[in-house]
Amino acid sequence: DTGVSQDPRHKITKRGQNVTFRCDPISEHNRLYWYRQTLGQGPEFLTYFQNEAQLEKSRLLSDRFSAERPKGSFSTLEIQRTEQGDSAMYLCASRPRVSPETQYFGPGTRLLVL
Amino acid sequence: GNSVTQMEGPVTLSEEAFLTINCTYTATGYPSLFWYVQYPGEGLQLLLKATKADDKGSNKGFEATYRKETTSFHLEKGSVQVSDSAVYFCALSDLDGQNFVFGPGTRLSVLP
Repeated sequence: DTGVSQDPRHKITKRGQNVTFRCDPISEHNRLYWYRQTLGQGPEFLTYFQNEAQLEKSRLLSDRFSAERPKGSFSTLEIQRTEQGDSAMYLCASRPRVSPETQYFGPGTRLLVL
Repeated sequence: GNSVTQMEGPVTLSEEAFLTINCTYTATGYPSLFWYVQYPGEGLQLLLKATKADDKGSNKGFEATYRKETTSFHLEKGSVQVSDSAVYFCALSDLDGQNFVFGPGTRLSVLP
């Protein structure tokens, strides 16, 4: 297994369009996290899943954002009616049952909303 | 709430210089502490970690010691290389891996 993967790596869209990102965690990692990172800042927590259950959502996650992890494996993050302020790097991370304090990150999806 | 403070960058060093990037934290309980590194255009890579007081994390010549008395986790390297140029993030989480909090990052540039 080569680690957490994300797709696409880059996305350019026009304001008002919907976008969907995918994250494939390291296999058998039961927890999956989504973060947003803007230029010059550290990642900010958005939401996380334990298996297929979404257990926590940040107040940063407006009602235009929705995340799913239907079978407890890959996850999707959808942004509806994108705004220019949504432009950021969206990072996914997964966490194993063993050494649960450590998160392993994917390469991220960079979103640019024009 | 939990928080992490890092020294502001950018930090510019010559190759083979000594590196220190300061990190202090505020947290309830006994968090785990991390340094992550982010190379241009890439996601975050775990560099090292420490899960209890006085533990020293080390990897690729980098070291950091968990100092509970000063609530610090400073990153050090004795001799930096050009390939170490990246952004370094200090982070903490509680023992269960919840409440992962990152500092703002410190950009390091190493000149040949």
